[in-house]
Amino acid sequence: DTAVSQTPKYLVTQMGNDKSIKCEQNLGHDTMYWYKQDSKKFLKIMFSYNNKELIINETVPNRFSPKSPDKAHLNLHINSLELGDSAVYFCASSQGLGQGSGYTFGSGTRLTVV
Amino acid sequence: AQTVTQSQPEMSVQEAETVTLSCTYDTSENNYYLFWYKQPPSRQMILVIRQEAYKQQNATENRFSVNFQKAAKSFSLKISDSQLGDTAMYFCALHGSSNTGKLIFGQGTTLQVKP
Repeated sequence: DTAVSQTPKYLVTQMGNDKSIKCEQNLGHDTMYWYKQDSKKFLKIMFSYNNKELIINETVPNRFSPKSPDKAHLNLHINSLELGDSAVYFCASSQGLGQGSGYTFGSGTRLTVV
Repeated sequence: AQTVTQSQPEMSVQEAETVTLSCTYDTSENNYYLFWYKQPPSRQMILVIRQEAYKQQNATENRFSVNFQKAAKSFSLKISDSQLGDTAMYFCALHGSSNTGKLIFGQGTTLQVKP
C-alpha cells in the first residue's frame, strides 16, 4: 500500500487550461502539504492543511486552490495554467504540525505546460 | 527568518569510501528538528535521518550518521561505505515551527558514487 499517493504522475497541458492533482494518504496523519520543486530542484512549500484547516498559504497565486475534503485528501487545482507553472509538485503528510516526525512524500507530479 | 544552506552543489565519491555533505542553518526557535532527505533519479523523496535539536547525541541510521553542532548551527551528513545506490540529490531540511509544520529546504547537493 502506498502511504502517500498522487495522481497523475505526469501531466502535460496547454497554457490556459485548468488541471487538478489529487493526493491521498493512508497513514492517519493530521497534516498535509503541497510543495513545488522548480527546475533548479529547489523545494518550497505552497500550502499546508491541518485537519482540513488551511494553515499556510505561502504567497501562491490565486490560480492555485487547494481543497481538503477530509484529512486524508488534499487536492490541488490550478486555473489558467502558465508556462512558469511547469515544475514537480509534491504532496506530503506528517503526524502533526509540531512533532517533527518528518514528512512522508508522494512520488511527485511532473507538470509540463506547453 | 529560518534558512538552510548547502554550499556544495555537487560531490563525488568512490564506491566503498566515506563522504560528508555539509549543511548550515539559522533559526531562532529553541526546539527544532533537522532532516536529511534523499532524492534519487526516481524523484521520490526519502527520509534518510532525523535529529532533534535538544538531543546532544548525533543520530545514526546504518551507514548514515550526522555531525550536529548546535552552537555552530551545522548539520552535516556522513555516508560510510558508499554504494552506487546512494547516488542521488540530498536535501538538508529544518522543521522549526510547531504552528505551521513547515519544512525549510536547502538547495540540495548532488552526490555521484563512482564504481
